[in-house]
Amino acid sequence: DAGVTQSPTHLIKTRGQQVTLRCSPKSGHDTVSWYQQALGQGPQFIFQYYEEEERQRGNFPDRFSGHQFPNYSSELNVNALLLGDSALYLCASSEGQTNTGELFFGEGSRLTVL
Amino acid sequence: AQSVAQPEDQVNVAEGNPLTVKCTYSVSGNPYLFWYVQYPNRGLQFLLKYITGDNLVKGSYGFEAEFNKSQTSFHLKKPSALVSDSALYFCAVRGPFRVTGGGNKLTFGTGTQLKVEL
Repeated sequence: DAGVTQSPTHLIKTRGQQVTLRCSPKSGHDTVSWYQQALGQGPQFIFQYYEEEERQRGNFPDRFSGHQFPNYSSELNVNALLLGDSALYLCASSEGQTNTGELFFGEGSRLTVL
Repeated sequence: AQSVAQPEDQVNVAEGNPLTVKCTYSVSGNPYLFWYVQYPNRGLQFLLKYITGDNLVKGSYGFEAEFNKSQTSFHLKKPSALVSDSALYFCAVRGPFRVTGGGNKLTFGTGTQLKVEL
C-alpha cells in the first residue's frame, strides 16, 4: 500500500518563475493538505482540499494556489517565486475532512529559489 | 486561534536515560494533540495522538505522552532513550471541526531537536 507520494523531490527555480508540485494521497484518503516548512521551522498550513475544492486556507498570499483532481491527487502552484519561498513543501492526506485521525505526510518537495 | 509552544530548541539525553520533550497548547474546545518525528531531509512520521480518554497515550517506538488539561500540556516521554531516537520532534494541535472552516488544520510547534548520546 503506497503512502503519500510527492514529486519532484528537489527542484531549483529563479525568482519570478512559477512552480508546480504534485501529490498523490495514501490509498483510501480523499483529503489533501499542503504545508510549507522553512529551514529550522515547523510546518505551516497552506491550504486543504476536499471534494476538489479548497476548504481551508492558511496565511499565504494568492500566489499560492492549488487543485485537487477527481482521483484525489493534488497540485500546489506558486507563482512569481520569491527567495523566501525556498522551503520543504509537505503534502499530507487523511480520510474525510472531519476525521480525528492523524495526517499521513509525504517525504516533501524541496524548493530552492535563487 | 490555536497554537503550540515547544519551549526547548534542543534536549540532550544519555542513552538509557528517560527523556521528556515538552509541549503546551492553546485551542478553543477539546484539543486533538499529536506528536510527529522528522529525520534529516525526510517528511514527518506520526508517533502518537490524543483524542479523548486515557490521559497517558502510548505510541510508536516506545514513546508515550501525557495529556494534562489543567496545564494545557502534552509532553512526550520515553523511559529509556536510544541513540536512534535522535531526531526533530514536533508537537501539533488540531481543534474540533467546524463547518465554517478553521477547525481541522494542524498547527505545529517550532520543533525540539533531541540528541541522544552514548
